[in-house]
Amino acid sequence: NAGVTQTPKFQVLKTGQSMTLQCAQDMNHEYMSWYRQDPGMGLRLIHYSVGAGITDQGEVPNGYNVSRSTTEDFPLRLLSAAPSQTSVYFCASSISGSTDTQYFGPGTRLTVL
Amino acid sequence: AQSVTQLDSQVPVFEEAPVELRCNYSSSVSVYLFWYVQYPNQGLQLLLKYLSGSTLVESINGFEAEFNKSQTSFHLRKPSVHISDTAEYFCAVRFFGNEKLTFGTGTRLTIIP
Repeated sequence: NAGVTQTPKFQVLKTGQSMTLQCAQDMNHEYMSWYRQDPGMGLRLIHYSVGAGITDQGEVPNGYNVSRSTTEDFPLRLLSAAPSQTSVYFCASSISGSTDTQYFGPGTRLTVL
Repeated sequence: AQSVTQLDSQVPVFEEAPVELRCNYSSSVSVYLFWYVQYPNQGLQLLLKYLSGSTLVESINGFEAEFNKSQTSFHLRKPSVHISDTAEYFCAVRFFGNEKLTFGTGTRLTIIP
C-alpha cells in the first residue's frame, strides 16, 4: 500500500492563479481531510469528507473548494491564489471518522508570490 | 468555547531526562483526546489516544498521557528521552457531537546530547 499520497511536493504560484492539490489514498478509507500548517498556528482544518459525495467545511474554508467523486481521491482547489495561502498543506485519511487514526500524507509546500 | 491549548511552543531537554508536554482543553461536552508527532520533514503520525476507559494511555515507544477531567488536561510524559524523540508534538481534541479534529499549536521537543 502506498498510503496517502500528495502531489505536487512543492509549488510556486503567482497571485490570482488557480491550481489543484491532489490527494489519494489506497486504504479504502471513508474519511478524508485537508489541513494547512502555519508556524505558531498548528494545523487548521480546511475541508473534510465522510464519504464519496459528501464534503463539509472546516475552520478555514475560504478560498478553497473540494469535491469527493471517488473514495480514493480528495483534491483541494485554490480558485484564485493569495499570498495568505502560502503554507504547507496536509491531506489525511482514516477508516470512518476523526476518532480513528489519521494517516497523513507527506505534504505540499505552497508559496504564493 | 471549545478550544485546545499547548502552553509551551518549545521544550529543550537533556538526553535521558524526563519530559512533560502540556495540553489543556476547554469544553462543556465530552472529548476524545489525541497526541500526534511530526518528525522533521514528514507528515503527522498518531502517538496515542484516549477515547474511553482507563485514563492512562501508553504508546509503543515509551510515551504516556493521562486524561484528567477535573483539570481538563491530557499531558504527555516520557521518563527518559532519546535523540530520536526530537520532533514536534501536537495535541488534538474531538469534541462530542462535532466530527472535526481540532489541533493545538504544537510543542517542539529538542533533545540536548
